Amino acid sequence: DQQVKQNSPSLSVQEGRISILNCDYTNSMFDYFLWYKKYPAEGPTFLISISSIKDKNEDGRFTVFLNKSAKHLSLHIVPSQPGDSAVYFCAASGAGGTSYGKLTFGQGTILTVHP
Amino acid sequence: NAGVTQTPKFRILKIGQSMTLQCTQDMNHNYMYWYRQDPGMGLKLIYYSVGAGITDKGEVPNGYNVSRSTTEDFPLRLELAAPSQTSVYFCASSSHDGNPYEQYFGPGTRLTVT
Repeated sequence: DQQVKQNSPSLSVQEGRISILNCDYTNSMFDYFLWYKKYPAEGPTFLISISSIKDKNEDGRFTVFLNKSAKHLSLHIVPSQPGDSAVYFCAASGAGGTSYGKLTFGQGTILTVHP
Repeated sequence: NAGVTQTPKFRILKIGQSMTLQCTQDMNHNYMYWYRQDPGMGLKLIYYSVGAGITDKGEVPNGYNVSRSTTEDFPLRLELAAPSQTSVYFCASSSHDGNPYEQYFGPGTRLTVT
C-alpha cells in the first residue's frame, strides 16, 4: 500500500523555466511533508518542508504547495538550473507519538534540466 | 565534521552469509534510521532509534537486526542474506532538538546478494 505516490517517474525541463514536481498521499494522519533531493551515488539531502497548518512555504527558488483537501503537494523550482538535475523524493510523517521523526517516502521523480 | 558515514560502500554477499553495515554520525543526533532503496522505489524504513539503547522496527524489519550502544553508532546486521536483500542501504540521523524530520543521510551501501 503506497501511502505516498509520485506518479511521474521523470520530468524534463529547459533551463530557466519552471519545474513542477507532484506528490499525492492517502494517509490523512500525515501532517508534515518534505522534499529531498538525491544525486547519483550520494544520500538524499533535505530541500524544503511544510507543515499541514500552512499551504505554502518558500525558500529561494523552491516553493512547496500543500492542498490538504486533495491530499496533494507540489514542488516548484523557478528558475530551473542544470544543477537541479537529480531525483526528488516527496516524504510525509504523522505528528508526534510513535511516528515522531519517521518518514514515508514516495518513489521519486527524476528531474533533468537541459541547458 | 564528517556528518553520517557508512561502510562499506559496496559489498557482494553469497546467499546465507551474514554481514554488518556500519553507520556513524558525529553530529550528536539522538535519532538514527536505516532505510533501504530498491530500484525505482522510494526509501523504506527498516529500523530506527531514538537514543542509545532504544531501537524499534520500521516498515520492513524482517531479516535485519540493529543495536545502539552509543549515540554515534547504529550498525545494521543482516543474518542469512537472501537475494531479496539486494538493495542500497542508507543510514540517516536527525536531531531531537531541531527538526527531527530533517534527516541527514550517509552516502549509502550498495549490497548485492547472489
